[in-house]
Amino acid sequence: DQQVKQNSPSLSVQEGRISILNCDYTNSMFDYFLWYKKYPAEGPTFLISISSIKDKNEDGRFTVFLNKSAKHLSLHIVPSQPGDSAVYFCAASANAGKSTFGDGTTLTVKP
Amino acid sequence: DVKVTQSSRYLVKRTGEKVFLECVQDMDHENMFWYRQDPGLGLRLIYFSYDVKMKEKGDIPEGYSVSREKKERFSLILESASTNQTSMYLCASSLTGYQPQHFGDGTRLSIL
Repeated sequence: DQQVKQNSPSLSVQEGRISILNCDYTNSMFDYFLWYKKYPAEGPTFLISISSIKDKNEDGRFTVFLNKSAKHLSLHIVPSQPGDSAVYFCAASANAGKSTFGDGTTLTVKP
Repeated sequence: DVKVTQSSRYLVKRTGEKVFLECVQDMDHENMFWYRQDPGLGLRLIYFSYDVKMKEKGDIPEGYSVSREKKERFSLILESASTNQTSMYLCASSLTGYQPQHFGDGTRLSIL
């Protein structure tokens, strides 16, 4: 049973537009959520996080939204840039325990 | 800046060999993790460790073991390598459970 799902394997957007990446989870005990970005031949790097006591967290062009009742989080990138093209993973953990990762979404931002 | 270093970027081994993947972090992090990444399957946790000499099984521990004799070093061991262990292996560390993980650049392991 996959507890963290990213249902869109890929997403393509035009430079300057908004990118919205989605993630669903099933475990109601998850209380900490993160997004990581991964370029080819590199390890994932942390992008932004949110705890379950919040519903929104912003960092520059990146905003993460958490809807606990729907068990859904999303990452908004505004405006999107070609350098944002990468694989994005969402991850979730409970009680400061191990993280469970989604399968990733490949974002392509076209100039 | 946190540095997580994996000993090899590419490794080719034969079936049946005992394989060691090494990982070192330089930020005195308590937690260390080993994942494998396969196309379409995301990151799957093999083993993790919250402290020296402590280890916990992740989601796919079969065929693997780990060693953490020093805080900064976490080793992944393939006891008898098989072709289905061909994969990208990623090591990570974090200060606490409520902190992001810092990843190494990965070891692409091929078992022939």
